[in-house]
Amino acid sequence: GAVVSQHPSWVICKSGTSVKIECRSLDFQATTMFWYRQFPKQSLMLMATSNEGSKATYEQGVEKDKFLINHASLTLSTLTVTSAHPEDSSFYICSASRYPGLAYEQFFGPGTRLTVL
Amino acid sequence: TQLLEQSPQFLSIQEGENLTVYCNSSSVFSSLQWYRQEPGEGPVLLVTVVTGGEVKKLKRLTFQFGDARKDSSLHITAAQPGDTGLYLCAPNFGNEKLTFGTGTRLTIIP
Repeated sequence: GAVVSQHPSWVICKSGTSVKIECRSLDFQATTMFWYRQFPKQSLMLMATSNEGSKATYEQGVEKDKFLINHASLTLSTLTVTSAHPEDSSFYICSASRYPGLAYEQFFGPGTRLTVL
Repeated sequence: TQLLEQSPQFLSIQEGENLTVYCNSSSVFSSLQWYRQEPGEGPVLLVTVVTGGEVKKLKRLTFQFGDARKDSSLHITAAQPGDTGLYLCAPNFGNEKLTFGTGTRLTIIP
């Protein structure tokens, strides 16, 4: 159990276009979903926390208007990178949280490699 | 602000050797997770520890949660090339968010 999918796994786009990334928890309903960004050779950096039916909470320094998050259901969250630029090229990873009884656990998707030309 | 340190940052050892990586915080955790991430993939949850002093074993991996709940360690016995990856500790400080350490990049040389 606890499988999280992401789509697409990679995307190449032109500068100025928008890209949507989907994150789905396949076999459980997530209390919360999270979006991370990871640069080469670095750890994960939390971008935002997403709850179904409410506005996402963004970490300091993350532009809300650039990284639009929609959390339509307990199993689906989307991240849209608007007007993408080369500096937005990165590895984007989502996670879904559940509480099995003792502690919250996050399960991660396989990631989406975004390259902006 | 919680300070989180993982050490070592890089470790390269021969197959068959043992190793330990550490995760230390300036604050008390409510729980902690260890993940392993391979290049181009998302992190995979290895274990969750919730009780101070707790020890959990997963085949050749032994996870320990410090008595004071501010540190944790991961010990690998007889390392194999398949253990290669980025090991991340992620404490939880009482809510759903995780704080990730800088990670330990482990390379096992055949």
